[in-house]
Amino acid sequence: DVKVTQSSRYLVKRTGEKVFLECVQDMDHENMFWYRQDPGLGLRLIYFSYDVKMKEKGDIPEGYSVSREKKERFSLILESASTNQTSMYLCASSLRRASGSFDEQFFGPGTRLTVL
Amino acid sequence: ILNVEQSPQSLHVQEGDSTNFTCSFPSSNFYALHWYRWETAKSPEALFVMTLNGDEKKKGRISATLNTKEGYSYLYIKGSQPEDSATYLCASPDDYKLSFGAGTTVTVRA
Repeated sequence: DVKVTQSSRYLVKRTGEKVFLECVQDMDHENMFWYRQDPGLGLRLIYFSYDVKMKEKGDIPEGYSVSREKKERFSLILESASTNQTSMYLCASSLRRASGSFDEQFFGPGTRLTVL
Repeated sequence: ILNVEQSPQSLHVQEGDSTNFTCSFPSSNFYALHWYRWETAKSPEALFVMTLNGDEKKKGRISATLNTKEGYSYLYIKGSQPEDSATYLCASPDDYKLSFGAGTTVTVRA
């Protein structure tokens, strides 16, 4: 059974802390994504990666960075957590296809982060 | 960012009733349209990936249609059951990423 796992389901941090969210997939997918989900706003893309050590900014990258040292692992880093980063964070992965076609994404269970 | 819109934002359905809701997306440079179901405390999972105008896909009591010329897709739930309660997301590819709509949250009342 294909799987995307995230390191924590719930996380509480204080303002100014450095926060690491880890995501691991076992499907040998090239593409990996980090989203945040806020009520009424849908899923918004923070960063994505289409290969090891490659990363691209998504729609809302400010305040975040990412790391992809191994194909199966994609980490999201909040350098200095702020209260407006309180959200649900979802990781996803997909196969990379030729431009013009697009495989479904497989999602992790999400991490609900609260920044106090 | 592609402008993908879903309506309504939420709806309540009596068990056994059928329902449908809409996803609209830019019709120019269309590649595909995805539907995902996101149940509470679970991961979003793909229902359909649709690519052809006029396409209709079905999974159990859930089906979807696609009109790429006018830029909309309908998702139908026939004979709603409590286990159909979820947020349904649609998304359209934008380069190597997906642009998601805000979702339609369906609550099925027993």
